[in-house]
Amino acid sequence: EDQVTQSPEALRLQEGESSSLNCSYTVSGLRGLFWYRQDPGKGPEFLFTLYSAGEEKEKERLKATLTKKESFLHITAPKPEDSATYLCAVQVGNYGGSQGNLIFGKGTKLSVKP
Amino acid sequence: EPEVTQTPSHQVTQMGQEVILRCVPISNHLYFYWYRQILGQKVEFLVSFYNNEISEKSEIFDDQFSVERPDGSNFTLKIRSTKLEDSAMYFCASSETYYEQYFGPGTRLTVT
Repeated sequence: EDQVTQSPEALRLQEGESSSLNCSYTVSGLRGLFWYRQDPGKGPEFLFTLYSAGEEKEKERLKATLTKKESFLHITAPKPEDSATYLCAVQVGNYGGSQGNLIFGKGTKLSVKP
Repeated sequence: EPEVTQTPSHQVTQMGQEVILRCVPISNHLYFYWYRQILGQKVEFLVSFYNNEISEKSEIFDDQFSVERPDGSNFTLKIRSTKLEDSAMYFCASSETYYEQYFGPGTRLTVT
């Protein structure tokens, strides 16, 4: 069964204190791995897509990396406005079959204190 | 910047009633999806829609659910006879290239 596990469940940081969030996955055929940010009561906001091991993507204070078994979301010098739940999702299957539905992890709730 | 919109933002209904949740995907997108998130739980896939037909559905998407694209812009999710356990946030998403999916703000459905 395809599975996505995120850790930690919650993370409290001081402003400026860098850290990493983990997303490990067990899937039959990875087509892509996605990171989303979700604020309370809102829809997931797209951040990154990673397709192959060794790939890295950056956006402001965020950097996502991918290996064959897991992905990391590195947060450098976070600010209070980075506080949110960060969701990892995988897309599996073959081009002739699945139309690309996402399998989500439970998320990591990040709190950044000033 | 184009975005997915959803209406209503909050829907309260009584058990057994029918509800229709509406979505306007991003205009040049071809793939459409519905997901739901029960409070405190994971986002779960319900159904995908492409070329005017359902392309995939999850076990959750049983006979009480249906989707429709009634015109060139709207995409709807109908729940025929709501149950208490249908209370959740329902998210519509759309994709141009089959990869990145962009989500709407969600409709909070409360079944009493």
